[in-house]
Amino acid sequence: ETGVTQSPTHLIKTRGQQVTLRCSSQSGHNTVSWYQQALGQGPQFIFQYYREEENGRGNFPPRFSGLQFPNYSSELNVNALELDDSALYLCASSQLYRETNYGYTFGSGTRLTVV
Amino acid sequence: GQQLNQSPQSMFIQEGEDVSMNCTSSSIFNTWLWYKQDPGEGPVLLIALYKAGELTSNGRLTAQFGITRKDSFLNISASIPSDVGIYFCAGQKGKLIFGQGTELSVKP
Repeated sequence: ETGVTQSPTHLIKTRGQQVTLRCSSQSGHNTVSWYQQALGQGPQFIFQYYREEENGRGNFPPRFSGLQFPNYSSELNVNALELDDSALYLCASSQLYRETNYGYTFGSGTRLTVV
Repeated sequence: GQQLNQSPQSMFIQEGEDVSMNCTSSSIFNTWLWYKQDPGEGPVLLIALYKAGELTSNGRLTAQFGITRKDSFLNISASIPSDVGIYFCAGQKGKLIFGQGTELSVKP
């Protein structure tokens, strides 16, 4: 089975720009979640997508948005980038069944640097 | 953002020693997960616990889901140099809430 793949692996953007990060889910999984991990911290939940709709969101502003496609792949979009958005962005896929996510699997992440 | 209380923050041990780390929360979780993260990589799932009181092993690793559903521990027996890395606990209630991580260093 294929794992979770993310692209690009590294990215440098200028403050105020927009960025799109991509994720392919593990085969057999129906849910995608995105996390932001600052240096030296645990990952923080951004949002989760199930059946192409957002079904959970963490404490992140609306300029963080996402999409899930019919093949369960996903995009994370961040508008009006700020310096504090510099972090490792992690995508995770899972199989949601009766409110529990099974097989929570992370990709290797995209390292975003905002200058 | 919300985080679990994970301890210790770091450990420096000799190869062959046993390791224990734990996580506590003020909230109840339905699932507890333990991950290991190497530099520049995403977290890799070590053990998933789905039932209060559950004790699960994966090779030299053993983890337990606390009976109150508010805590979990991870033990690593007979540590080896490749155990080096950052270990995270995570409680699941829909989303995952992570601990701050335990950085493990193993001296050969």
